[in-house]
Amino acid sequence: GNSVTQMEGPVTLSEEAFLTINCTYTATGYPSLFWYVQYPGEGLQLLLKATKADDKGSNKGFEATYRKETTSFHLEKGSVQVSDSAVYFCALKGNTGFQKLVFGTGTRLLVSP
Amino acid sequence: ETGVTQTPRHLVMGMTNKKSLKCEQHLGHNAMYWYKQSAKKPLELMFVYNFKEQTENNSVPSRFSPECPNSSHLFLHLHTLQPEDSALYLCASSHDRESSYNEQFFGPGTRLTVL
Repeated sequence: GNSVTQMEGPVTLSEEAFLTINCTYTATGYPSLFWYVQYPGEGLQLLLKATKADDKGSNKGFEATYRKETTSFHLEKGSVQVSDSAVYFCALKGNTGFQKLVFGTGTRLLVSP
Repeated sequence: ETGVTQTPRHLVMGMTNKKSLKCEQHLGHNAMYWYKQSAKKPLELMFVYNFKEQTENNSVPSRFSPECPNSSHLFLHLHTLQPEDSALYLCASSHDRESSYNEQFFGPGTRLTVL
């Protein structure tokens, strides 16, 4: 079945550092890929998505590129802020009929001033 | 504010209690979902409703009973829970359940503690 693997956290960075959170997936066909973010005390919010190979999703300075050849969707940001501290979830959804969203276990990011 | 609200935000209950979680969406969506979020585990999909009809039950124990009276409201009725049911319960909605492009909008969750 479909699955998502993302790096264990926490990831601890200083403000303005470069961020990478790795995500790889296993799926049949061509799933859609998502990054969700969960700020403390809140539910999940969609951060960005990509629906086909080589698509780049971007939002709020975050980017991720759908790499079919390496089955990856790594999240990157050039300069993190304290306000980016949150838990980040990589997820995928198949594209035939009803397919549930399959989430990774989440990676906590802690950014210090 | 995602347009999905959940009440209560926190709930503590004993194993013999009966309680209900409520979810309401103001987005005009037709599909609603219950998820369970436990520490160090991926989000687990519990139930899916599409146009008020339950379409998915992910092998959830019968002590969890969902109800969807209309497309805007979703309930999760709880009875005789176990301590391992303590978790964050998230509600989500989407335009419909079928499209792979559909974004799901999540509520803030109910933090449930079973004593």
